[in-house]
Amino acid sequence: KAGVTQTPRYLIKTRGQQVTLSCSPISGHRSVSWYQQTPGQGLQFLFEYFSETQRNKGNFPGRFSGRQFSNSRSEMNVSTLELGDSALYLCASSLARTAQETQYFGPGTRLLVL
Amino acid sequence: AQTVTQSQPEMSVQEAETVTLSCTYDTSESNYYLFWYKQPPSRQMILVIRQEAYKQQNATENRFSVNFQKAAKSFSLKISDSQLGDTAMYFCASGGATNKLIFGTGTLLAVQP
Repeated sequence: KAGVTQTPRYLIKTRGQQVTLSCSPISGHRSVSWYQQTPGQGLQFLFEYFSETQRNKGNFPGRFSGRQFSNSRSEMNVSTLELGDSALYLCASSLARTAQETQYFGPGTRLLVL
Repeated sequence: AQTVTQSQPEMSVQEAETVTLSCTYDTSESNYYLFWYKQPPSRQMILVIRQEAYKQQNATENRFSVNFQKAAKSFSLKISDSQLGDTAMYFCASGGATNKLIFGTGTLLAVQP
């Protein structure tokens, strides 16, 4: 089976712009979670989607949003980018919604905001 | 609040030696899971080992094993016969009824030849 894929792998934006990141889960996985990884804050949970619905949300401002499509692919969007949004954004997919099911991570999208 | 603490920012070990990475956690979930993830320099996070809190037996996966002390809320990872490919950032994480994982700050492990 193909693993979790994320596109693009690298992205450079300027402050005030918006960005959309994409995540394709492992075939058959219906849950997609997003994490932000920075040197200062570490790995922080952004949100989780399951069956096209946001099921859980982390402590991030409303500029961070996402969605999931019927084929379980997910996108996350960040509007009005700030310098502090520079990070590695990871998505993870799993079969179900509980930690009982292993989450598989993608390679991440490295976002640099100038 | 759920927290995961890794008190060792960096560690170094000689090839073929054994190393133990420490992790403590706190959770309000009654049924929870603990994980060690590895993030090599290429950045892809890989699950190393998982422990179900209701199981008393410590999990093992080949050269990787854990010491799960539920009362002490401790979950350490032991890597035996360390290999150069074990060089990576290691994250301890907890999860429960949802897919939200709480991660520690990580331990950068360097395996020296």
